[in-house]
Amino acid sequence: GEDVEQSLFLSVREGDSSVINCTYTDSSSTYLYWYKQEPGAGLQLLTYIFSNMDMKQDQRLTVLLNKKDKHLSLRIADTQTGDSAIYFCAESIQKGGKLIFGQGTELSVKP
Amino acid sequence: DAMVIQNPRYQVTQFGKPVTLSCSQTLNHNVMYWYQQKSSQAPKLLFHYYDKDFNNEADTPDNFQSRRPNTSFCFLDIRSPGLGDAAMYLCATSGDRGPAGELFFGEGSRLTVL
Repeated sequence: GEDVEQSLFLSVREGDSSVINCTYTDSSSTYLYWYKQEPGAGLQLLTYIFSNMDMKQDQRLTVLLNKKDKHLSLRIADTQTGDSAIYFCAESIQKGGKLIFGQGTELSVKP
Repeated sequence: DAMVIQNPRYQVTQFGKPVTLSCSQTLNHNVMYWYQQKSSQAPKLLFHYYDKDFNNEADTPDNFQSRRPNTSFCFLDIRSPGLGDAAMYLCATSGDRGPAGELFFGEGSRLTVL
């Protein structure tokens, strides 16, 4: 079956690195995504990774994929207060196919 | 400029009184989705349209219906809202041209059922 799990809360200090973790169960997942949701707003795509990749870096964001353990992580370097939001991990087995979301990790950044 | 627009942003209805939520898009995307998001839970896909083809999720209650009269608009109809239907309803679109099938979300419609 399809299931995506995340821890619910993470609190860090401004300037530290944040690491948000996600596990998924569907081994046929082809695309894995990180979406960000700010208060009162819709979800916005942050980054994505194909299942044949181990790592993807995009400015302050680093995505690591361990396909054997079905574990995905998002590292935010030099976390800022503006990074405070809920971060959703999601998987899809095909491009443009339906996304299965985790329940979201609320990141709180303290000054 | 907003590309996926949902109306209304906040909707209050009474138990059993039908409600319609709307979504419009300027992206000319062929796929439109409706997700239900309850507090501290994952967004849950209710159904989606691939062009005019309607795809219902197996566990979506019959109480939820959808219409897509044209490419730009999609509606979510809740025929007899119950207290358990109070949630944020998210509309999203995707097109075939993106490299990874990115979904573009609206800001959501928050439904309260009294």
